Amino acid sequence: GAGVSQSPSNKVTEKGKDVELRCDPISGHTALYWYRQRLGQGLEFLIYFQGNSAPDKSGLPSDRFSAERTGESVSTLTIQRTQQEDSAVYLCASSLDRGELFFGEGSRLTVL
Amino acid sequence: AQSVSQHNHHVILSEAASLELGCNYSYGGTVNLFWYVQYPGQHLQLLLKYFSGDPLVKGIKGFEAEFIKSKFSFNLRKPSVQWSDTAEYFCAVTISSASKIIFGSGTRLSIRP
Repeated sequence: GAGVSQSPSNKVTEKGKDVELRCDPISGHTALYWYRQRLGQGLEFLIYFQGNSAPDKSGLPSDRFSAERTGESVSTLTIQRTQQEDSAVYLCASSLDRGELFFGEGSRLTVL
Repeated sequence: AQSVSQHNHHVILSEAASLELGCNYSYGGTVNLFWYVQYPGQHLQLLLKYFSGDPLVKGIKGFEAEFIKSKFSFNLRKPSVQWSDTAEYFCAVTISSASKIIFGSGTRLSIRP
């Protein structure tokens, strides 16, 4: 596709439910990132995939968070047993090389 | 681990004023530095980047940034701002092209017409 695509764009869920967020990166981009942006705050690094290397999971806030990526294509971010503090915009970005990131529109998650 | 600090959380300027947004990073080795911008209702986009060479980097829309290694800084500047520069600005750093990119907390810039 022309850009990074994320779905759903909006998700409202109840506390304790699991949610899955999807990211379709730009075709051919080897690197894929997930960030979290809480209201009025900066981008919090979650996880980074680079080609076939082991992902950098150092930003995942707890074991309720996990992410997968199939080859150099789609990635899913899963949040289990959601909590109210998980409410945020989850941003996905992809990159070919040299660090320039192309961001999606984000998935806004609201946990009631 | 690398980190980025943006000390100005909200900056308010009048049109035609000069702009400087601070960015400091903490990492002693070679870094790649970026400024991203998020206009209202839009997604983040790259404003400019520094990898090596001339420490004064020019980006889009008249923005520039200067890498000062001794100060661990990469401040963003523009000589004369416009109302359309109203946005949130994020500084970011990575220690190589194959490692994670860490963002600062952002600076919200409001321009009075």
